[in-house]
Amino acid sequence: GAGVSQSPRYKVAKRGQDVALRCDPISGHVSLFWYQQALGQGPEFLTYFQNEAQLDKSGLPSDRFFAERPEGSVSTLKIQRTQQEDSAVYLCASSSPAVRANTEAFFGQGTRLTVV
Amino acid sequence: DAKTTQPPSMDCAEGRAANLPCNHSTISGNEYVYWYRQIHSQGPQYIIHGLKNNETNEMASLIITEDRKSSTLILPHATLRDTAVYYCTGGATNKLIFGTGTLLAVQP
Repeated sequence: GAGVSQSPRYKVAKRGQDVALRCDPISGHVSLFWYQQALGQGPEFLTYFQNEAQLDKSGLPSDRFFAERPEGSVSTLKIQRTQQEDSAVYLCASSSPAVRANTEAFFGQGTRLTVV
Repeated sequence: DAKTTQPPSMDCAEGRAANLPCNHSTISGNEYVYWYRQIHSQGPQYIIHGLKNNETNEMASLIITEDRKSSTLILPHATLRDTAVYYCTGGATNKLIFGTGTLLAVQP
């Protein structure tokens, strides 16, 4: 596709349930990022991949959050034992056809997770 | 990581220039200033970025002060479709630090 695609667009989970959020980056983009955006706030960095390598996971809020990108393209953000405070929009972004810092990132529309 | 400060909201008349300020006094010498905007229910959209020099593209101009402690995003002729939350961020592409942004309301 032409842009970053995320699925599902909306997810309702019961507290304690595990969820998996998918991101299809722009074809050929080396870098992939996950952000969490709470209502009324700016996006907050979660983690960063360069190809299949997870180079920065400093923003993951707890060990219930896990991200992977096994083949360097599609990525999955998994949240185990969801809690109400996990309710947010989860944004995926990709950048750069080659490894190069300081370029623009392209964001998907996000997955809105509601934990009830 | 650079912390940024922006006014929470601004109004602008359609067709006029919109000037959005940002303070980033803690930005380090090799950190770029990025501007993104977010229209309701969409992901952030890249606008422009710069290091020291002023930059211009088809969407906007970016004016960075000589001491790099602040910058201004200029939309030269605002339209109703420019109504959005505008984020000034510091850092590198691989770790953008967003604040709460400025809600720009373009009035007809």
